[in-house]
Amino acid sequence: QVQLQQSGPGLVKPSQTLSLTCAISGDGISSSSTAWNWIRQSPSRGLEWLGRTYYRSKWYSDYAVSVRGRITISPDTSSSQFSLQLNSLTPEDTGVYYCARDHDGAFDFWGQGTMVTVSS
Amino acid sequence: DIQMTQSPSTLSASVGDRVTITCRASQSISIWLAWYQQKPGKAPKLLIYKASSLESGVPSRFSGSGSGTEFTLTISSLQPDDFATYYCQQYNDYSWTFGQGTKVEIK
Repeated sequence: QVQLQQSGPGLVKPSQTLSLTCAISGDGISSSSTAWNWIRQSPSRGLEWLGRTYYRSKWYSDYAVSVRGRITISPDTSSSQFSLQLNSLTPEDTGVYYCARDHDGAFDFWGQGTMVTVSS
Repeated sequence: DIQMTQSPSTLSASVGDRVTITCRASQSISIWLAWYQQKPGKAPKLLIYKASSLESGVPSRFSGSGSGTEFTLTISSLQPDDFATYYCQQYNDYSWTFGQGTKVEIK
């Protein structure tokens, strides 16, 4: 059974960088049929896909237009983890952040969620 | 980005009712549509993928149909555990978007 365990801070100051990590168990991070995603949820924006990283002979990343230029998602193959970095934070970035695995276009396993508040 | 519109936003129903939720895409997405159930304080749970494929372990009272731009999620006989919020989600051209959600409440 695939499990995703998130870690990272819940409070970040405006203009700073959010860093979250998602540890994978029960699946290989370099699997050729899956990808590793970050999704967030807030009352104002609903569920919003942020981006993903995946391995297809080499590593790739895709990012949502809404956060492109501020986001980096990267794998750590030695620890079977992947991470999210989102910089230049504003209060609009407040919400619950989830990591998730995608397979055939759907998100079949999710992390437990991290409530992130952007406030001074 | 492709926009996903769900209807209704809220649905009041009783145990045993047949419930249908509709999701419309702003352009054709073939069958790249998934449905999720979310309860308060929890991550969404995948119910249906590729429009009509039932995820392993999901009760057979849940079913999905549609292709192109119009899709439905049906719960054949609503159970107490089914009162929750349901979301559709599309995948197209390296982009994923979700509907705004349908809350299923007890009537």
